[in-house]
Amino acid sequence: GESVGLHLPTLSVQEGDNSIINCAYSNSASDYFIWYKQESGKGPQFIIDIRSNMDKRQGQRVTVLLNKTVKHLSLQIAATQPGDSAVYFCAENSGNTPLVFGKGTRLSVIA
Amino acid sequence: DSGVTQTPKHLITATGQRVTLRCSPRSGDLSVYWYQQSLDQGLQFLIQYYNGEERAKGNILERFSAQQFPDLHSELNLSSLELGDSALYFCASSSTPTSGGASQYFGPGTRLLVL
Repeated sequence: GESVGLHLPTLSVQEGDNSIINCAYSNSASDYFIWYKQESGKGPQFIIDIRSNMDKRQGQRVTVLLNKTVKHLSLQIAATQPGDSAVYFCAENSGNTPLVFGKGTRLSVIA
Repeated sequence: DSGVTQTPKHLITATGQRVTLRCSPRSGDLSVYWYQQSLDQGLQFLIQYYNGEERAKGNILERFSAQQFPDLHSELNLSSLELGDSALYFCASSSTPTSGGASQYFGPGTRLLVL
């Protein structure tokens, strides 16, 4: 069943292509950012994080870019696979404040 | 598998009733966070406990309460339930006393349906 709202922005990508999911944040004091993946019926799964003293961080097939000037975060997924289909959330916080989650983007991979 | 467990997986109850959701954090994690995820509100932080003590409070209603026990498991109590309380409730855990700069690992959630 559906775990999240039905009216999320959707990104459709051909299998094997690269995906770029974007997130705008509003709190200029935020200094820690996380990307989560949520598959239908499951809890959010940690993908990658980045601190504000960096502008790029790479993981396995994923890269997070942070542009503090325009308060923009992106998640790049290389060679997108059907298993990457999910809703992706960015989350941010600063200091001891709770994580604030974005609304999410649904990634749909076309085989 | 994140290592965070939640029970029950599904819960159906009636308005006015009271339910308890249970969470066990990852081994070694002392912080437990509770979140509500509804269709129109996304993931909303409710409350955090660290080593048995309340650490941070978010958008948690007065009808809701939580606690963390000496064995570090946590329970979220929802009372006088209303239709609008129907949602997914997630627990997350981390190793740090504060949420700043700390990765949180989520459980599979409890789907609550209030009829």
